[in-house]
Amino acid sequence: AQSVAQPEDQVNVAEGNPLTVKCTYSVSGNPYLFWYVQYPNRGLQFLLKYITGDNLVKGSYGFEAEFNKSQTSFHLKKPSALVSDSALYFCAVRPPSGTYKYIFGTGTRLKVLA
Amino acid sequence: EPEVTQTPSHQVTQMGQEVILRCVPISNHLYFYWYRQILGQKVEFLVSFYNNEISEKSEIFDDQFSVERPDGSNFTLKIRSTKLEDSAMYFCASSGQGMNSPLHFGNGTRLTVT
Repeated sequence: AQSVAQPEDQVNVAEGNPLTVKCTYSVSGNPYLFWYVQYPNRGLQFLLKYITGDNLVKGSYGFEAEFNKSQTSFHLKKPSALVSDSALYFCAVRPPSGTYKYIFGTGTRLKVLA
Repeated sequence: EPEVTQTPSHQVTQMGQEVILRCVPISNHLYFYWYRQILGQKVEFLVSFYNNEISEKSEIFDDQFSVERPDGSNFTLKIRSTKLEDSAMYFCASSGQGMNSPLHFGNGTRLTVT
């Protein structure tokens, strides 16, 4: 079955420190990969997507994501966390064929401590 | 920047009543979706819609659910006879051409069934 895993329900990091939010996927072929952020009482907001050939993808608000094909991972990173980065983060995958849907992970709550 | 808009933001209804949730996707997008999120947790796929018909639906999307794009701009989700377990945040989303096009989400409708 095609799936996305976010192994951490919550990640705590001190302001100014680097952050990593993990995502692994199980999809046949070369999937399309995305990260989204959700603030309270809002919809999901697109952060970045994987671009074929780029193992490090840059997105909005200083976020980037590292793609690793052998580990089937697409971890979200930021060199220096801000308190305002505190939110719920979702990894999503769109299989390369056979479906129209985007499959979301269970979400990771990021808490940046001042 | 163009946005997906959803109305109403909150809807309270009694069990057994019909509800219609409304969405205006981004105007040049071709693919339309409904997702739901219960208690700020997992984002669950309900249905995708393309070329004026359902392209895919999940097991959640049973006979009580239907979608329509009545006039080329609105995209609606109808629940015929609501149940308590239908209480959730319902998100409309749209995407453009291309498999790596990200989903763009509205801010959601919070449905409460009493």
